[in-house]
Amino acid sequence: GQNIDQPTEMTATEGAIVQINCTYQTSGFNGLFWYQQHAGEAPTFLSYNVLDGLEEKGRFSSFLSRSKGYSYLLLKELQMKDSASYLCAVRDPWSNYQLIWGAGTKLIIKP
Amino acid sequence: DADVTQTPRNRITKTGKRIMLECSQTKGHDRMYWYRQDPGLGLRLIYYSFDVKDINKGEISDGYSVSRQAQAKFSLSLESAIPNQTALYFCATSYGAEAGELFFGEGSRLTVL
Repeated sequence: GQNIDQPTEMTATEGAIVQINCTYQTSGFNGLFWYQQHAGEAPTFLSYNVLDGLEEKGRFSSFLSRSKGYSYLLLKELQMKDSASYLCAVRDPWSNYQLIWGAGTKLIIKP
Repeated sequence: DADVTQTPRNRITKTGKRIMLECSQTKGHDRMYWYRQDPGLGLRLIYYSFDVKDINKGEISDGYSVSRQAQAKFSLSLESAIPNQTALYFCATSYGAEAGELFFGEGSRLTVL
């Protein structure tokens, strides 16, 4: 079956670094996406990995290991505005290339 | 103005009523999607459309129907709403042969009493 696992909630301190993990078991794999969703708002795209390794974009980085079915999103220099849910999604060619979504990780930033 | 617009943003209705949620986009994307989001669950795909003549069921299409009236418009209907269809519904668009980056509307919160 299709399964995407993320921690339900994490807490971190402003200015610190936090790593949000995502593990997946899907029929196929054609890319992994991270989205950010502030409370009551729409998800917005953060990053995309299709090959193993680290993709860096400003304060955010995303890592992928296809052999381990594992990804993480690394957020540096945390700001209060980073308080949001972070959604991991896998694109599955066996599902007509649609995205299979994790339930999301709610990140709480404390001063 | 938002590139992907959903109406209504909030709706309260009663069991058995017919409800339509509408989505329009100005991004010029060919692909459109309807998702629902429930607390503690990931986004779940209801229907998706690759173009006006191509409609596909997602993982939870039972109890829903859709219409792609034009490239820019994709509506979701609940023919006879039931309480477990209470959820936050999102329309999204993308461009290209694979479901790459999705652009979401602001969401429609539906409550079925």
